[in-house]
Amino acid sequence: GAVVSQHPSRVICKSGTSVKIECRSLDFQATTMFWYRQFPKQSLMLMATSNEGSKATYEQGVEKDKFLINHASLTLSTLTVTSAHPEDSSFYICSARGPRGGDHEQFFGPGTRLTVL
Amino acid sequence: GQNIDQPTEMTATEGAIVQINCTYQTSGFNGLFWYQQHAGEAPTFLSYNVLDGLEEKGRFSSFLSRSKGYSYLLLKELQMKDSASYLCAVMDSNYQLIWGAGTKLIIKP
Repeated sequence: GAVVSQHPSRVICKSGTSVKIECRSLDFQATTMFWYRQFPKQSLMLMATSNEGSKATYEQGVEKDKFLINHASLTLSTLTVTSAHPEDSSFYICSARGPRGGDHEQFFGPGTRLTVL
Repeated sequence: GQNIDQPTEMTATEGAIVQINCTYQTSGFNGLFWYQQHAGEAPTFLSYNVLDGLEEKGRFSSFLSRSKGYSYLLLKELQMKDSASYLCAVMDSNYQLIWGAGTKLIIKP
């Protein structure tokens, strides 16, 4: 199956700093990437959908100025949490889908655990 | 609105069989997925159903009835390592995944 990597796997930062998370599709071209957030004991919550070369589509309630998404190439998308606060502490997971619109499977990265002190 | 329902938690015994149900109401349907997620890890793909019927893959099977908006995941010969959350997700008409809240499965010896 296709492989998606995420970096870093874990990050601890001070309140007010910005954190960048990278999501890479290693062996396929990902025209669409998804960013999820998951709080403890809750299900995945879709934050935004990004298509290569275009602006991300954010879900309702997700601040696009706080969670900056860049999908500059077919293998890389980044999520930057700007001016992070303790309530942003969560498990962030990206997933990627191939170029065919009917591709049914999303391939998940291993996730990034963000802790904001 | 779109809605996926599955039980919050289930308990089963090692070696036994457990069935996790999922009902859905979505705008369009392009398939139903089951994912397994261990605590602190990302989800891993288990199965995909787009046509009615049963798909069997080793100890795991998944069933779909589109007319009833219903699916189940059947786990046989349960092992302790099967303790995890099981997520049901439906792909809607826009090829977006709509996620259920997950079912936490606890396996007891």
